[in-house]
Amino acid sequence: KQEVTQIPAALSVPEGENLVLNCSFTDSAIYNLQWFRQDPGKGLTSLLLIQSSQREQTSGRLNASLDKSSGRSTLYIAASQPGDSATYLCAAPQLIWGAGTKLIIKP
Amino acid sequence: SAVISQKPSRDICQRGTSLTIQCQVDSQVTMMFWYRQQPGQSLTLIATANQGSEATYESGFVIDKFPISRPNLTFSTLTVSNMSPEDSSIYLCSVSPWGEQFFGPGTRLTVL
Repeated sequence: KQEVTQIPAALSVPEGENLVLNCSFTDSAIYNLQWFRQDPGKGLTSLLLIQSSQREQTSGRLNASLDKSSGRSTLYIAASQPGDSATYLCAAPQLIWGAGTKLIIKP
Repeated sequence: SAVISQKPSRDICQRGTSLTIQCQVDSQVTMMFWYRQQPGQSLTLIATANQGSEATYESGFVIDKFPISRPNLTFSTLTVSNMSPEDSSIYLCSVSPWGEQFFGPGTRLTVL
């Protein structure tokens, strides 16, 4: 059974730092992996989708990578800003979800 | 991307009553997904709604408690029936038309 684990559960860093959020999964037969952000009390916003044949995707200051052999995906956020504060979730759409990393960027 | 709207955005309901949540998508999609997010938790898939057939429910969720309608390719409703305080959650509608998954803004339900 596929399981997704996100580490750390929470992270607080000063503004401007580069940071990495981790997502690990148990079944290397994963098809797609998607990263989302969720602001408090809100829905989910899609950040990046890495499809089965891809190894990474980039959007602005965000870069997500996928290594199926090691069962890991990472989300890299460059030059963090207070507006990046949110909970970040990874998922193998549509069924398997990580518990999220709550990120706080301190001004 | 797909744009999804949900109504209501939030509601406070009394125990024993029912609430119907509406989900509208700006494009035609085969499957629509309904999720529950309990306070401080990640997402749990309730059911998958296909147009023209009965919804498929995940383990732990039953049609009598969460009836779903899917009258056309852009609209679905989820009803939370005979509510109890344990049903207090955010309910989210989602679609995944080409592999990437998109979500509505959610309905925040509080049951007193």
